[in-house]
Amino acid sequence: IAGITQAPTSQILAAGRRMTLRCTQDMRHNAMYWYRQDLGLGLRLIHYSNTAGTTGKGEVPDGYSVSRANTDDFPLTLASAVPSQTSVYFCASSEGTSGNFQFFGPGTRLTVL
Amino acid sequence: GQNIDQPTEMTATEGAIVQINCTYQTSGFNGLFWYQQHAGEAPTFLSYNVLDGLEEKGRFSSFLSRSKGYSYLLLKELQMKDSASYLCASFSGGYQKVTFGTGTTLHVIP
Repeated sequence: IAGITQAPTSQILAAGRRMTLRCTQDMRHNAMYWYRQDLGLGLRLIHYSNTAGTTGKGEVPDGYSVSRANTDDFPLTLASAVPSQTSVYFCASSEGTSGNFQFFGPGTRLTVL
Repeated sequence: GQNIDQPTEMTATEGAIVQINCTYQTSGFNGLFWYQQHAGEAPTFLSYNVLDGLEEKGRFSSFLSRSKGYSYLLLKELQMKDSASYLCASFSGGYQKVTFGTGTTLHVIP
């Protein structure tokens, strides 16, 4: 089934631990994104990638890193998790040309204690 | 900078029409998206306006006025399943320049 998958669905993590959220799309979209969604703040862009091999910082990149080794995968890593990173994380992709809307993955609910 | 305003919450009756407004201040504005997000789920694309005017897609329509920095989403013949959050998002420049509003939670009541 075409679309975006994210793993895990949810995770409880101790502060200070390292965590990688996985995202895979099979639509051959060039652009991929990571957002976090917090109550009252809406969706905020963490990092993005215009194409395989390139990444860029979004609005709230601190504490997060990404890589884009190929077209399909765009993992998000929290090197040392903190409670303020408790959030719902959405991965998204778009075809890449200006104006194309974004497809969103199902999300990962992360709790950092 | 980018700034998007939309009402936090609205309530409407099943079968009725509801209009959800969105105002934006976006430098280099290129277009405006509307997404629907049911509780606990991912946002799904509804519409995209680039030019002024109304775009109709079934029960949903979206309007844009670039000169006024204003858009609305119109939902007709409301159904209970339309209870969701509706996100307004402006687009400027490249792929990373999509700014989302905080969303309007619509409650559809019998």
